[in-house]
Amino acid sequence: QQQVKQSPQSLIVQKGGISIINCAYENTAFDYFPWYQQFPGKGPALLIAIRPDVSEKKEGRFTISFNKSAKQFSLHIMDSQPGDSATYFCAASIMGGSEKLVFGKGTKLTVNP
Amino acid sequence: NAGVMQNPRHLVRRRGQEARLRCSPMKGHSHVYWYRQLPEEGLKFMVYLQKENIIDESGMPKERFSAEFPKEGPSILRIQQVVRGDSAAYFCASSPPGQGLQPQHFGDGTRLSIL
Repeated sequence: QQQVKQSPQSLIVQKGGISIINCAYENTAFDYFPWYQQFPGKGPALLIAIRPDVSEKKEGRFTISFNKSAKQFSLHIMDSQPGDSATYFCAASIMGGSEKLVFGKGTKLTVNP
Repeated sequence: NAGVMQNPRHLVRRRGQEARLRCSPMKGHSHVYWYRQLPEEGLKFMVYLQKENIIDESGMPKERFSAEFPKEGPSILRIQQVVRGDSAAYFCASSPPGQGLQPQHFGDGTRLSIL
C-alpha cells in the first residue's frame, strides 16, 4: 500500500494558537517523512522532515511527532501566525529506491489575526 | 543560487495539441522528478529521471506521456494529443546526486489548461 492519509482537510486557528495536522501511512518500508508548505501559485517548499529512528524533531515553531508503532506522524505549529496560512502536505518515501514522494491530500490552514 | 526553474508558468492548449513542459534543476542537481497536482489534491508522482536515464516511470500514464532529461539542457515532460483531463499543475523537483537523504526541491510549476 502506498497511501498516505492526511487530516483534517482544512483547519482554522486563531493567531497564537497551536495548529496540529495528522498523517497516517500503511507501508512500513517508508523511512523518510517530510512536510511541505505550499502557498497559492507556488511550488511546495520543504518545511521539516523526520526519519523513523527519532520520535520528535523540532525546528523553530515547527515540530514533527512520529509514532512508528501506530504508523502515524503529525506536524505541530506553535504560536501560529497569519503568515503560516498555507496548504500543508505530509509525504513519505523509501530511501535508497527511487525516493519518489507519496503525498497526503493536504491541509488548508487559515490563521486568523 | 537559482532554484528549480519551470517554464512556461501557464500553458493553454486545445484538445489534440501537444504540450511541452520544461524543468531546469538547481545547479549541481542531477536527479529530476515530475509530479502532477489536480485541484484540491496532493501531488502524484509521475517519473524520476537522471541525466539521460529514466529511473522510475511507474506513475506515468502508459500513453501520450513521455519524459526526458538529456545530457545538456532541461528536462522535458511531453504530453501528446492532450485531453481535458490533462488539465493540472505539473511540478518538477530536483535533488543532488549521492547516497542517503537528498531532499527534493520544487519549482513553482506549470499550470496546464486544456480548452
